[in-house]
Amino acid sequence: DIQMTQSPSTLSASVGDRVTITCRASQSISSWLAWYQQKPGKAPKLLIYKASTLESGVPLRFSGSGSGTEFTLTISSLQPDDFATYYCQQYNSYVYTFGQGTKLEIK
Amino acid sequence: EVQLVQSGAEVKKPGESLRISCKGSGYSFISYWINWVRQMPGKGLEWMGRIDPSDSYTNYSPSFQGHVTISSDKSISTAYLQWSSLEASDTAIYYCAKQSGSYVDRLDIWGQGTMVTVSS
Repeated sequence: DIQMTQSPSTLSASVGDRVTITCRASQSISSWLAWYQQKPGKAPKLLIYKASTLESGVPLRFSGSGSGTEFTLTISSLQPDDFATYYCQQYNSYVYTFGQGTKLEIK
Repeated sequence: EVQLVQSGAEVKKPGESLRISCKGSGYSFISYWINWVRQMPGKGLEWMGRIDPSDSYTNYSPSFQGHVTISSDKSISTAYLQWSSLEASDTAIYYCAKQSGSYVDRLDIWGQGTMVTVSS
């Protein structure tokens, strides 16, 4: 299986900050990567797919980049609603795998 | 509105069987794979497997193969996840998620989750 590793596991930041989360794949996955946001007690929500395509309705402060084995999710100016846990997921092969998650906390 | 509605929370004893459900609406149910994802208490997301509702073809993660069964009934637009013998380690929230259009693709719509508690 393809292993996905996110860093950091926890990130403390303030409203207005620019933050970046990294996701690395154990082998090349081209651009077949999605990012999800999950808030406590809620289902995950798709933010970005194909590494950099913003899902409809997702604010433009979210962006994704990368290809091959290294990917990033960037939030350009943190809003209070953005404090949540973020997961990457590869769909290069049908045995999908998620990263372990990055919890974005208020500093 | 495209949505997946899951069955309610369950409390079971070890060794019991269980089937939880996921009903799709607002789209052509047979046209998109349904995936199941586990989230153990305080932990991350784990992909379990998926089903093509048009023909009930399934794929499983090696980690879950043989321990759960995924099925569907296209006549009522519903997918299922079932266990024949639950273990305490099956305690988790289980999400179903609709896959977007391709054979491998993003998970664009999620159910609200079903909490399963297994305790003696």
